[in-house]
Amino acid sequence: EVQLVESGGGLVKPGGSLRLSCAASGFTFSSYGMNWVRQAPGKGLEWVSSISSSSSYIYYADSVKGRFTISRDNAKNSVYLQMSSLRAEDTAVYYCAREYGSGTYYKFDYWGQGTLVSVSS
Amino acid sequence: DIQMTQSPSSLSASIGDRVTITCRASQSISNYLNWYQQKPGKAPRLLIYAASSLQSGVPSRFSGSGSGTDFTLTISSLQPEDFATYYCQQSYSTPCSFGQGTELEIK
Repeated sequence: EVQLVESGGGLVKPGGSLRLSCAASGFTFSSYGMNWVRQAPGKGLEWVSSISSSSSYIYYADSVKGRFTISRDNAKNSVYLQMSSLRAEDTAVYYCAREYGSGTYYKFDYWGQGTLVSVSS
Repeated sequence: DIQMTQSPSSLSASIGDRVTITCRASQSISNYLNWYQQKPGKAPRLLIYAASSLQSGVPSRFSGSGSGTDFTLTISSLQPEDFATYYCQQSYSTPCSFGQGTELEIK
């Protein structure tokens, strides 16, 4: 059974940093791209970042570029999101999602339960 | 960046109704379009991929159609468990983008 379990969320002050983790199980982690998608309270879904299976391709939303860093450790079946210079508008539930497919034909077929990041003084 | 616009933003319907949700892309995305369902406090669930392909395990009352800029998600006969928020998402270009969501409520 495919499982994605996020951790690392919490309350942080503006300007602070936080590192999210997503532990994967039930599939060959090193064969799949992984993504982070967030959802602000009461709002819709916003894609944040993606990393290819071998970390060769990394992309960010403009809203987080230069502040967030995605990485993965295939030996530990985990993907990470290092968040710095956090702002109030980064407050959201952060989901990791598995990317199934190749090139442009991809889908987010499995999602974690999410971890809440709250940025407030 | 490609903008995705869903309509309506909210919809009230009854059990057994046929419901259609529309998603429009700001430029042609061929059929690189996915649909997700999200219930309160839960992660999104993939329903439809590549505009019209049903994800494994999803009931056949869900269907998708469209190509280019205009897409639809149809639920043929609403069931109680279908009341949720639905999102479209394009994978044609990076950054991928989601529609703003359509909240389906019980009438």
